[in-house]
Amino acid sequence: QVLLVESGGGVVQPGTSLRLSCAASGFNFNNDGMHWVRQAPGKGLEWVATISNGGRDTYYAGSVRGRFTISRDNSKSTLFLQMDSLRPEDSAVYYCARGTMFDRQYFTYWGQGTLVTVSS
Amino acid sequence: DIQMTQSPSTLSASVGDRVTITCRASQSVSPWLAWYQQKAGKAPKLLISETSTLESGVPSRFSGSGSGTEFTLTISSLQSDDFATYYCQHHNSYPITLGQGTRLEIK
Repeated sequence: QVLLVESGGGVVQPGTSLRLSCAASGFNFNNDGMHWVRQAPGKGLEWVATISNGGRDTYYAGSVRGRFTISRDNSKSTLFLQMDSLRPEDSAVYYCARGTMFDRQYFTYWGQGTLVTVSS
Repeated sequence: DIQMTQSPSTLSASVGDRVTITCRASQSVSPWLAWYQQKAGKAPKLLISETSTLESGVPSRFSGSGSGTEFTLTISSLQSDDFATYYCQHHNSYPITLGQGTRLEIK
């Protein structure tokens, strides 16, 4: 079965960096786009970033563009999110989500999330 | 950016009720609209993609419809397991945006 396991969350100070990972299994990772979606405490879902199946194309929400970088290692079926210049408003549960093999992306499976807290 | 607006924000209903949640987009996204269910403390789950395509394993009491800028998620006969928060998401273009959520609670 499809399994997505996020790791790397924690408590960090504003202005610092953090790298999230998502280990994928149970499907052909190379075929599908992959995403990060976040949810601040008590709030709704916010799409963060997308990477195409081959890794060539990336897309970002305006709130993170220039600070976050999405990447993937298809040889290890792993998705990453490098988060720099973190702000308190980046505090959230970060979900890794499997997309589709098509141009139009939605989130077919989700991990359980990893909590990021940005606080001084 | 395409704005997605759901209504109502909260819906109180009883087991057996038929309920409808509406999602409006600020421009046409048809047919690229998905629906998710999220239970408290859990990850979201995909219910419907491309307006009306039910995901495997999702009960047939769930259905989606709509076109252009207005879409609906209908639950034909509410079960106790359905009380959760529901989100719509357009998958027409980037940036991807989601609605603010509709909390479905027990009356």
